[in-house]
Amino acid sequence: DGGITQSPKYLFRKEGQNVTLSCEQNLNHDAMYWYRQDPGQGLRLIYYSQIVNDFQKGDIAEGYSVSREKKESFPLTVTSAQKNPTAFYLCASTPPETGELFFGEGSRLTVL
Amino acid sequence: AQSVTQLGSHVSVSEGALVLLRCNYSSSVPPYLFWYVQYPNQGLQLLLKYTSAATLVKGINGFEAEFKKSETSFHLTKPSAHMSDAAEYFCAVTEHNQKVTFGTGTKLQVIP
Repeated sequence: DGGITQSPKYLFRKEGQNVTLSCEQNLNHDAMYWYRQDPGQGLRLIYYSQIVNDFQKGDIAEGYSVSREKKESFPLTVTSAQKNPTAFYLCASTPPETGELFFGEGSRLTVL
Repeated sequence: AQSVTQLGSHVSVSEGALVLLRCNYSSSVPPYLFWYVQYPNQGLQLLLKYTSAATLVKGINGFEAEFKKSETSFHLTKPSAHMSDAAEYFCAVTEHNQKVTFGTGTKLQVIP
C-alpha cells in the first residue's frame, strides 16, 4: 500500500543534541511538508519542498533543517538551536493541484 | 491572506446526538476547504473536501459539510454521534497552489 512512513514514532533526547526525523513516501508525490503540532495550536509549517533538491522555509523554520536529495525522502533535523523542540512532528505530501495532504503517523520528540 | 477559525476547542455531545463542529474561513479567492480527523498519537486523515463542485460535501464515517459562501463557513456535521467519533478535528483552507492553513482544532468528546 502507498503511504508515508515516519520514524521513529517516539524519540527522547537530551538538550543540546541534534536529532533527525525520517520521512519516506511511496506515493510519487513531488511536494512534501513538515509540520509541528503543539496542544491548542493546530499545525504549524516548518519546511516544505515542491521538488527534489529544493525546499523553502515555512512559518517556524528557525532551529530546523531539511534536505531533499530524493523524491521519496524528506528528513527533518531538529538542531540544538531550536529552543523548545518537544512536540509532535508530522510529515505530509500532496499530489499536484489538489491541496489534499497525506500524512504520516507522526514522530513524538521529547527533550529531557 | 487565508485564515481559518474553529469555534470551540472542545465540544461534548451525547452518543446518538447531532455533531456540529464550526469552521469559518477567509480567502481572497475561491478556496479549497478540508476537514481532517486525528486520533491520539496518529497523523491526520482526510474526512472530506470542498473543491468548488457541490456545496454539500459527504465524507467518510457519516460526516458531511456544507460550503456557505455568504457566511464564509464550512461547518462539519454528523446526525448521530458514535463513541468512535471521539477525536480531534481540523478544518483547513488553501487557495490554488498555495500552502494549506489549518485551524487550531476541535476536540470532540462523545458521552455514553
